[in-house]
Amino acid sequence: GESVGLHLPTLSVQEGDNSIINCAYSNSASDYFIWYKQESGKGPQFIIDIRSNMDKRQGQRVTVLLNKTVKHLSLQIAATQPGDSAVYFCAENLWGSGTYKYIFGTGTRLKVLA
Amino acid sequence: EAGVTQFPSHSVIEKGQTVTLRCDPISGHDNLYWYRRVMGKEIKFLLHFVKESKQDESGMPNNRFLAERTGGTYSTLKVQPAELEDSGVYFCASSQDWRTLGADTQYFGPGTRLTVL
Repeated sequence: GESVGLHLPTLSVQEGDNSIINCAYSNSASDYFIWYKQESGKGPQFIIDIRSNMDKRQGQRVTVLLNKTVKHLSLQIAATQPGDSAVYFCAENLWGSGTYKYIFGTGTRLKVLA
Repeated sequence: EAGVTQFPSHSVIEKGQTVTLRCDPISGHDNLYWYRRVMGKEIKFLLHFVKESKQDESGMPNNRFLAERTGGTYSTLKVQPAELEDSGVYFCASSQDWRTLGADTQYFGPGTRLTVL
């Protein structure tokens, strides 16, 4: 079935380094992609999104890259901080059955080392 | 502005019992979604309300699950009778009218952790 998957379940980075979290999606018809951050005991928190007519979007310390040719999405975090430690989910927004729904990957845990 | 809230935060019940989860969306959001994450798996869509109407319930696992959104404000998700495999975290999300905005940004609540013994 359709799914969004994450290549690395756990990513450890040194504080101050840049982090790159990758995601593969399977449905070429998806037109909107979102990255969420989930801290322990909390719900997914919106980080950044990108539409399919773009290949790059920047936020504050975060950048999302979209490669539609290979159906790949990545989240780059600059100067990673201890507060960035969390599980990161990518999701694709797919139209079907008269509505939009999100399809999530399993998540990547980011550990920031002091 | 208050975010999406969910109650309870954690529920522990025995197999065969009934549990009702509640979600209060962000004020003014017509769209309300239920998702769940079972252990080690990805977050999966359950259903979508537009105001009080069920727009898509293709993700509901079986007829033991009943979702309602009377009046188009808060929503409840009832599991009756609960089974062991229903254990997981149930998330609610809400968004504005995607018909005018295109693909929508969904804002999630903290989730309800359900444990069925």
